Amino acid sequence: EVQLLESGGNLVQPGGSLRLSCAASGFIFNNFAMSWVRQAPGKGLEWVSAISGSAASTYYADSLKGRFTISRDNSKKTLYLQMNSLRAEDTAVYFCAKSKNEYSNYGSFDSWGQGTLVTVSS
Amino acid sequence: AIQVTQSPSSLSASVGDTVTITCRTSQGVTNDLGWYQQKPGKAPKLLIYAASNLQSGVPSRFSGRGSATDFTLTISSLQPEDFATYYCLQDYNYPYTFGQGTKLE
Repeated sequence: EVQLLESGGNLVQPGGSLRLSCAASGFIFNNFAMSWVRQAPGKGLEWVSAISGSAASTYYADSLKGRFTISRDNSKKTLYLQMNSLRAEDTAVYFCAKSKNEYSNYGSFDSWGQGTLVTVSS
Repeated sequence: AIQVTQSPSSLSASVGDTVTITCRTSQGVTNDLGWYQQKPGKAPKLLIYAASNLQSGVPSRFSGRGSATDFTLTISSLQPEDFATYYCLQDYNYPYTFGQGTKLE
């Protein structure tokens, strides 16, 4: 059974930094691209970033303007999102999601974590 | 970035009804579009991938159609557990983009 478990969400001041983690199990982690998706309170889903299985390719939402960095450690089966220069508008639940297509950088998300809450406020 | 326009934003229906939700993309995405269901406080769940393929374990009353720029999700014979918010997502090209969501109530 695929399991994704996010952690690292917290209350942080504007301008601060935070690193989210997503521990994966139940599948061959390095064969699948992974993404982060966020949802601000009461709002819709927003795709944030993706990384290929080998970590050779990374992709970001245009709105992030270089503040976030996605990475993965395949030996630890863990996905990360480093978030810098945080703003109030980054307040959201952050989900990690597994791509359905093996050996591809693209595809729908067939498994999701439960989410971790990031609150940016002074 | 590819824009995704989803309609309607909300939909009122009753158990047993058939409903259709539409997504339109600003450029062709072949069949690279998926549909997700989300219930309050929960993670989204994949229903349909590649426009028309039913994800394993999803009831057959859910169906998807379309290609290029126009896509639909149809739910036949609505069940009480189907009242939720639905999103489409184009996974053709990065940055991926979601539709705005449709709340089924």
